[in-house]
Amino acid sequence: NAGVMQNPRHLVRRRGQEARLRCSPMKGHSHVYWYRQLPEEGLKFMVYLQKENIIDESGMPKERFSAEFPKEGPSILRIQQVVRGDSAAYFCASSRDRGTYEQYFGPGTRLTVT
Amino acid sequence: GENVEQHPSTLSVQEGDSAVIKCTYSDSASNYFPWYKQELGKGPQLIIDIRSNVGEKKDQRIAVTLNKTAKHFSLHITETQPEDSAVYFCAASSGGADGLTFGKGTHLIIQP
Repeated sequence: NAGVMQNPRHLVRRRGQEARLRCSPMKGHSHVYWYRQLPEEGLKFMVYLQKENIIDESGMPKERFSAEFPKEGPSILRIQQVVRGDSAAYFCASSRDRGTYEQYFGPGTRLTVT
Repeated sequence: GENVEQHPSTLSVQEGDSAVIKCTYSDSASNYFPWYKQELGKGPQLIIDIRSNVGEKKDQRIAVTLNKTAKHFSLHITETQPEDSAVYFCAASSGGADGLTFGKGTHLIIQP
């Protein structure tokens, strides 16, 4: 499977718990983007990362949300102390390099906070 | 920041007819305009894109047009088929490694 991989596909958390969402980019891609999609809404950009660097986090909420893309392993989007308003679909996209415009999306993680 | 408006929110067409979805953007620095198709429960799929140095691009039954002066771009689907039913999103960015700004989507329904 050469596409963008995300896991888990579905995640249920109770209010106050932590959620960890994982994304493995397409083979050969070194740039990762995270987006959030609320029901009946378009996707909202959250953060853009390269290996070991956060390049643009202008769309990330200031509190409780963090992202990383370590040298080895997948990119992680972490949401601490989840609230009901965090319930959404979270999508990861990847692109080849800084000069490449095309972004390819994974299947998403659907987070439900109860 | 960039703002992308998309119309209509729902579009129903007879199978075999054409469908047109329109978007406008606000930031004149935007130079890359992709279109994505999203089926229920799946991630967005890139179907066509256009850059600001081009006015029109075609790929089989799908075409995209761009009017930089008016800051709008459109998706055209000809000879629509049942499998074209999905939600379509337009987006804009200033290219390179920037995050995309998306429209709110158009639910395209192909009537048999």
